[in-house]
Amino acid sequence: GQNIDQPTEMTATEGAIVQINCTYQTSGFNGLFWYQQHAGEAPTFLSYNVLDGLEEKGRFSSFLSRSKGYSYLLLKELQMKDSASYLCAVYTGGFKTIFGAGTRLFVKA
Amino acid sequence: GAVVSQHPSWVICKSGTSVKIECRSLDFQATTMFWYRQFPKQSLMLMATSNEGSKATYEQGVEKDKFLINHASLTLSTLTVTSAHPEDSSFYICSARDERGALDEQFFGPGTRLTVL
Repeated sequence: GQNIDQPTEMTATEGAIVQINCTYQTSGFNGLFWYQQHAGEAPTFLSYNVLDGLEEKGRFSSFLSRSKGYSYLLLKELQMKDSASYLCAVYTGGFKTIFGAGTRLFVKA
Repeated sequence: GAVVSQHPSWVICKSGTSVKIECRSLDFQATTMFWYRQFPKQSLMLMATSNEGSKATYEQGVEKDKFLINHASLTLSTLTVTSAHPEDSSFYICSARDERGALDEQFFGPGTRLTVL
């Protein structure tokens, strides 16, 4: 079966660092995406990991361990505008992407 | 960049009517587009994969006779919700696969919010 798990909600303080974890069990794996989605809007691309390790892009970093079926998204210097849902998605091949339920992040002042 | 548009952005219709949603890739050609549905506070659920010039591939549990997909050109896919009912009310999002780059990335449209009364 296909299973992607991430926490439902997280709360963090402006200026802090937050890590959003994602574990997956899928029938195929070609890469892992992280998307940001604000309420009522479509997802926007944040990162894509194919190989193990950490990919850094500004305030956002994403980590992947394929052997453990594990990824995390790290957000630094949190800003109020970072309040959104963060979706972990696995590209299983055959052009198919499976999404996790998303983690709603609340950033408080 | 890669831009995907959807039309309409929102629609309200009566139960039993049909609604057509368009998905267009504006600055690239997409042989493959995807249709997702998202209920409040839930994730995106893939409904079907739309392939230009051929029949769509539907996910298990999605009624192909109810959700008609037509991918007539390399820049346009349409989803028609036939005989819509209140339980079909949802946020419908399309994405288009950009084959130009090394990263096999999907670009999402802005979504269409459907409310069936």
